[in-house]
Amino acid sequence: DIQMTQSPSSLSASVADRVTITCRSSQPISNFLNWYQHKAGEAPKLLIYAASSLQGGVSSRFSGSGSGTHFTLTISSLQPEDFATYYCQQTHSVFFSFGAGTKVVSK
Amino acid sequence: QISLKESGPTLVRSTQTLTLTCTVSGFSVSTRDLGVGWIRQPPGKALEGLALIHWDDDKRYSPSLKTRLTITRDTSKNHVVLTLTNMDPEDTGTYYCARRTISWEGVPYFDNWGPGILVTVSS
Repeated sequence: DIQMTQSPSSLSASVADRVTITCRSSQPISNFLNWYQHKAGEAPKLLIYAASSLQGGVSSRFSGSGSGTHFTLTISSLQPEDFATYYCQQTHSVFFSFGAGTKVVSK
Repeated sequence: QISLKESGPTLVRSTQTLTLTCTVSGFSVSTRDLGVGWIRQPPGKALEGLALIHWDDDKRYSPSLKTRLTITRDTSKNHVVLTLTNMDPEDTGTYYCARRTISWEGVPYFDNWGPGILVTVSS
């Protein structure tokens, strides 16, 4: 099984801050890495697929990078609606798996 | 417009079998390269993948739960059914179904999700 490790598990930030979340895989997964935003009481929302492709309708302040085992999600200027939990997901192995999540809270 | 919606019991007892249905619209569960997956989230915990059925009826399961899971589809009703046997209070959580598609490079991802259904398991 491929294990996904996200860091940090939580972070405090202010509106307009630049935020970076890291995800590492236990094995190389090329670019088979996706990012989701999840708010309480809502369905998860796809932000980034294939490591760096922005999903249609998602703000360009979100960006993704990385390949192999090290990936990052960056929010260039945090907005009030961005306070949420973010998950990475690998779809390289026989069965997909998620990281443990990174909760972004207001400082 | 693509939509998915989960339905089923919101309360089950320990040892019972949970059966959830994901009814989809805006696409067919048998459309090439698409699939439908089930994902859950226990209270206060992370997302966990459960099962996935591909357009060609290929099925994949979480390694840790595969002995308890079955995923099937009904193409005439355009829905996907998940069963989870021997329910336990630790199976309490919100269960989501989602559409799986693939990028031009062949990378799978879930682009549309249902609102989720909260299932509580009583002992």
